[in-house]
Amino acid sequence: AQSVAQPEDQVNVAEGNPLTVKCTYSVSGNPYLFWYVQYPNRGLQFLLKYITGDNLVKGSYGFEAEFNKSQTSFHLKKPSALVSDSALYFCAVRALYNQGGKLIFGQGTELSVKP
Amino acid sequence: NAGVTQTPKFQVLKTGQSMTLQCAQDMNHNSMYWYRQDPGMGLRLIYYSASEGTTDKGEVPNGYNVSRLNKREFSLRLESAAPSQTSVYFCASSGPTEGRLRHTEAFFGQGTRLTVV
Repeated sequence: AQSVAQPEDQVNVAEGNPLTVKCTYSVSGNPYLFWYVQYPNRGLQFLLKYITGDNLVKGSYGFEAEFNKSQTSFHLKKPSALVSDSALYFCAVRALYNQGGKLIFGQGTELSVKP
Repeated sequence: NAGVTQTPKFQVLKTGQSMTLQCAQDMNHNSMYWYRQDPGMGLRLIYYSASEGTTDKGEVPNGYNVSRLNKREFSLRLESAAPSQTSVYFCASSGPTEGRLRHTEAFFGQGTRLTVV
């Protein structure tokens, strides 16, 4: 079965410092991986995805993610955090084959960036 | 371009009452989904519809029913609401699962915050 894990419920970072939000996955076959962000009382917004190709994927708002097949990880990164990056972040994997393309989500990581 | 629209945004129900959550998308997407979000549990799939006329159970379907009315609309019904169904509900849609566009991302509505007392 496919699954996604986000090992940290919360990540605290000072503004201007680099940030990493961790994600590991378990799939059979090639994974299709996504990161979404949720601001308070809002829906989920797409940040970036890995389908194939370069292991470093660049996305919206200066975020990037590094795909590591040997470690089955897809960590979200940003070189310099902003207070406005504070939000809930979700990693997800797309189900394969005849499942309507549904996404399987991790439990989410609350990112807090302090001035 | 409205994307995915959910109604209502907020709802309070008494135990045993019924209601239908509405969802519509204007992106001509084939697949639509209903998720619920609970603290510490991420988003869990309730039902999905891979195409007009088909629906399938997700991870937590008990207590819910769905209807894919047409390609645009996918509704979620609670026949007899229970306090355990207090949650935030999200509808989402995504494009084709085959072909060149098969890896497009899913788009989410703004959510319905449901409280069952």
